[in-house]
Amino acid sequence: DAGVIQSPRHEVTEMGQEVTLRCKPISGHNSLFWYRQTMMRGLELLIYFNNNVPIDDSGMPEDRFSAKMPNASFSTLKIQPSEPRDSAVYFCASVGPPNTEAFFGQGTRLTVV
Amino acid sequence: DAKTTQPPSMDCAEGRAANLPCNHSTISGNEYVYWYRQIHSQGPQYIIHGLKNNETNEMASLIITEDRKSSTLILPHATLRDTAVYYCNSEASGTYKYIFGTGTRLKVLA
Repeated sequence: DAGVIQSPRHEVTEMGQEVTLRCKPISGHNSLFWYRQTMMRGLELLIYFNNNVPIDDSGMPEDRFSAKMPNASFSTLKIQPSEPRDSAVYFCASVGPPNTEAFFGQGTRLTVV
Repeated sequence: DAKTTQPPSMDCAEGRAANLPCNHSTISGNEYVYWYRQIHSQGPQYIIHGLKNNETNEMASLIITEDRKSSTLILPHATLRDTAVYYCNSEASGTYKYIFGTGTRLKVLA
């Protein structure tokens, strides 16, 4: 398996534009997570899904952020409109059976100018 | 969810054992302790996890105290490539809610 795949790896956009980050989890994994990492706040859990259903989105910073998982092999994190303070590295991770480890993607480095 | 605390940084001489502590005094009975590391800006990489027994794999050993309020990750022979940020976190069994703390920045010195 190629692991968790995120795209794009880098994104530079202007303030006010819509940004969509994509994630393909490991095949067969039932849970998917979106994290955001900044120097100031570290690694923050934004939202996670189990069997394609959002379980906890309490970490989503505000209504500008939304996440979907239309099927078991694909998820998106959308920011609309984007702001400079959204600049961060966004990681996606997936987990298989209970009590097993999370596998992380390589991340998307987002820069909003 | 149990909150974990770790020292912000540690140094270790190359070839020596690196012992990284983690405090998780509020952990509940069904929460596992996980360790990950992050090298530069790559995605975090799993190292080891356990519930109450000590665990060992090809990368490291995990020692969990009997009261489960703290644990120690041991890298038996640290190399320069082990320089990374090490995160200890916990997950209530079946919740899948992996919360990361601030981690320990380990620097292995030549």
